Amino acid sequence: DQQVKQNSPSLSVQEGRISILNCDYTNSMFDYFLWYKKYPAEGPTFLISISSIKDKNEDGRFTVFLNKSAKHLSLHIVPSQPGDSAVYFCAASDSNTGNQFYFGTGTSLTVIP
Amino acid sequence: EPEVTQTPSHQVTQMGQEVILRCVPISNHLYFYWYRQILGQKVEFLVSFYNNEISEKSEIFDDQFSVERPDGSNFTLKIRSTKLEDSAMYFCASGGQAPYNEQFFGPGTRLTVL
Repeated sequence: DQQVKQNSPSLSVQEGRISILNCDYTNSMFDYFLWYKKYPAEGPTFLISISSIKDKNEDGRFTVFLNKSAKHLSLHIVPSQPGDSAVYFCAASDSNTGNQFYFGTGTSLTVIP
Repeated sequence: EPEVTQTPSHQVTQMGQEVILRCVPISNHLYFYWYRQILGQKVEFLVSFYNNEISEKSEIFDDQFSVERPDGSNFTLKIRSTKLEDSAMYFCASGGQAPYNEQFFGPGTRLTVL
């Protein structure tokens, strides 16, 4: 049951350009969303979160946008750097029913120097 | 900087054997989690733990699985009788005061069941 979907398994971007990673969800009760970055042989690292009361959250080069009507969120990285090359996972939760997070399948980002 | 640690980094076991995966969460965190990632697949939630009891678990977390915080620092995941399909990376995570703060993940334990 894919409640959270990342339809692009991979993405390549030139250094300095914008990277846009997309995530769709099916459960309209989800109200808290996170993005994680994962390097090979390491655990996921928290990047940025957003709750459903907002439509945008920004932290340095990372901005997450939430479109509740479309059940879509995206992560923008500007400017992209080679060190950003990793797998990015989005995750979602319904805070009213518990603290279980549902992860997408990940998007592998490659930033080309 | 505090971090979540996990041991061992790689565990190989025979089908039907019991395994215990160990985690040391960040010391002032109150929420603890186990996730797994089968090779090539998504990260899947297994269980969350708060106040010395399971607060939530997924369908994956059946009677073969158990968690424990035996000494106030370690957080363990036990699989009683491993199956081939239990082969995966198992990640422990911990979180701060609220359950919806970011979760800090450990580096994972790769479990291989032969």
